[in-house]
Amino acid sequence: EVQLLESGGGLVQPGGSLRLSCAVSGFTISSYAMSWVRQAPGKGLEWVSGISGSVDGTHYADSVKGRFTISRDRATNTLFLQMNSLRDEDTAIYYCAKHPYRSGYYYFEYWGQGTLVTVSS
Amino acid sequence: SYELSQPPSVSVSPGQTASITCSGDKLGDKYACWYQQKPGQSPVLVIYQDSQRPSGIPERFSGSNSGNTATLTISGTQTMDEADYYCQAWDSSTGVFGGGTKLTVL
Repeated sequence: EVQLLESGGGLVQPGGSLRLSCAVSGFTISSYAMSWVRQAPGKGLEWVSGISGSVDGTHYADSVKGRFTISRDRATNTLFLQMNSLRDEDTAIYYCAKHPYRSGYYYFEYWGQGTLVTVSS
Repeated sequence: SYELSQPPSVSVSPGQTASITCSGDKLGDKYACWYQQKPGQSPVLVIYQDSQRPSGIPERFSGSNSGNTATLTISGTQTMDEADYYCQAWDSSTGVFGGGTKLTVL
């Protein structure tokens, strides 16, 4: 059974940093493209970042480019999102999601339950 | 940057057909997919690659995509289908979501 479990959310001040984790089970994380998607309170979904392919190509939304870094660890089957220089507008529930293939994104096949990040002074 | 537009809300009576549209420049040249999200829950994929249904999704959910518009159709809508629906596509390895449509079944 595919499972994705996010953690690492919390309250952080503007300008601060946070590292999100997504522990996966039921599949090998290096064999599939993965993404982070966020949802601000009462708002719609926004794709944040993805990692794809055998050489871990990474892609970012313009809103987070240069501040966020996506990575994954094959040994622990975990996806990460390092978030630096956080802003108020980064406040959201952050979901990790699995794609159907190793290369290319296509669609979000499975979603985690999300972790809440609140950026506030 | 690429944008997808959805109507904010759609209402339908139980048992009737609901149609939710998603508009984007030459969207028909891309694959569109749809997600259902109920309050307090994570999104669930209901249509992928324009018209494919994942395992476990009822047959009353169908999709199409042509020209500038993708459409999610729910036939024989049930009260359990009340939710927010998001269309989504990829533009040069960048994920794009529509703003979402609140489907009300009453």
